[in-house]
Formats: sequence, C-alpha cells, structure tokens
Amino acid sequence: AQSVTQLDSQVPVFEEAPVELRCNYSSSVSVYLFWYVQYPNQGLQLLLKYLSGSTLVKGINGFEAEFNKSQTSFHLRKPSVHISDTAEYFCAVSEAMGGGADGLTFGKGTHLIIQP
Amino acid sequence: KAGVTQTPRYLIKTRGQQVTLSCSPISGHRSVSWYQQTPGQGLQFLFEYFSETQRNKGNFPGRFSGRQFSNSRSEMNVSTLELGDSALYLCASSPGTVSYEQYFGPGTRLTVT
Repeated sequence: AQSVTQLDSQVPVFEEAPVELRCNYSSSVSVYLFWYVQYPNQGLQLLLKYLSGSTLVKGINGFEAEFNKSQTSFHLRKPSVHISDTAEYFCAVSEAMGGGADGLTFGKGTHLIIQP
Repeated sequence: KAGVTQTPRYLIKTRGQQVTLSCSPISGHRSVSWYQQTPGQGLQFLFEYFSETQRNKGNFPGRFSGRQFSNSRSEMNVSTLELGDSALYLCASSPGTVSYEQYFGPGTRLTVT
C-alpha cells in the first residue's frame, strides 16, 4: 500500500512570488506520481505526471515538479504565481505495476492562497 | 472532445434512501474510476471498471456498488444512505487498458439529511 503526505495544508504566497508545494510518499513498490489541481466547485485537473525518464517534469500553467527517489519526494514548484492559481492542489501516487486499477492514492491537499 | 460528465451535479437525499449517480467518460475511454471526497477523509478510491468488469474496489462497505455498461458509461449506487455518505463523488476516465492518467468530471455533490 502507498501513502502520500502533503506537508502543508495551506500555503499563502504573494502574487508574482515563487512557490513550492511539498509532497512525500511512502511505498514498497515503484510508483507513478501526479499533481492535480481543484478549483472551487470543480473536479480535478491533471497538472503533471511522472511515469519514467527525466526526474524534472513540466506541466500546464507553468508548473513543474521534481521526482527525488532517495527522498521519496515529488515537490511542485512555480516561479511566479498569479491570483488565478488560488486553488487546492493534490499530490497522488499509483502503483507502477498495477495498471492503475487500484486507483490513485491522494494526499490531503494543499490550499494555495495567492495574496495581491 | 467533451470531458467527463456527471449527473446530477447536486442531490439531496434522506437517511435510509438509496441513490444512483451517473458518469459518462470521455469518448474512447474504457476505464472509469470513482472517488469519494470529504473534508475529513479527503479523496478516497471507491472502485474501477474496465470493459464492464470491476477490477478493483476500495475499502468501502457493500452499500456502495457500481457497474459499467457496454458504452463505458458507469453508474454507482449507494443504498441505505447514512449522514456520513454526504460527499462529493468524482468520476474519472482513462484511455487504454491502464488507468494512470485519469481525467476527472466535475463531481456530484450528495447531501444526506
């Protein structure tokens, strides 16, 4: 079984400042990693994913994340945030050999608050 | 392509009743997964279907069930509703035989009174 820990439940950041949302995972097997964003009253939108290859992954809306296997982390970063980035961000893992049938395991989420 | 659609978007039910939620995946997607989202427990996996077969189920009581039709549309059913079943129920679809890359619908907000 896997677990995901998002270390901050809430992150306030000033507009145009950089931000890092932290995610650590625990698993006895290889995993795939994902970041999703949820805007109020909406479903989840995939920001980026790591399946294999380069450990630095670029996603939509200027976000990127780096997979660190030794530290079992997959932190999300953006160099300059905008008001429109205010949302809930979820880190998720899936067992690499499971075909995805066992679903995604999500962290509790981080609420990113952009201050003008 | 149209995204994942879920109906209804909002639902109010009374304890003891049953409810059926519907999900239409993205055209061509054959895998459908369901999740429950609550403030206390967060996002939890309910079950996953591929080609009308349930491939896996999360840790939920038997009151929660689902099915998938030949056109990949899926329904989930909750019987004997409890107050704790109040949640946002999210459906996600995936292309191909693996379900890693999941595309979520807007969800159905269920309130049990």
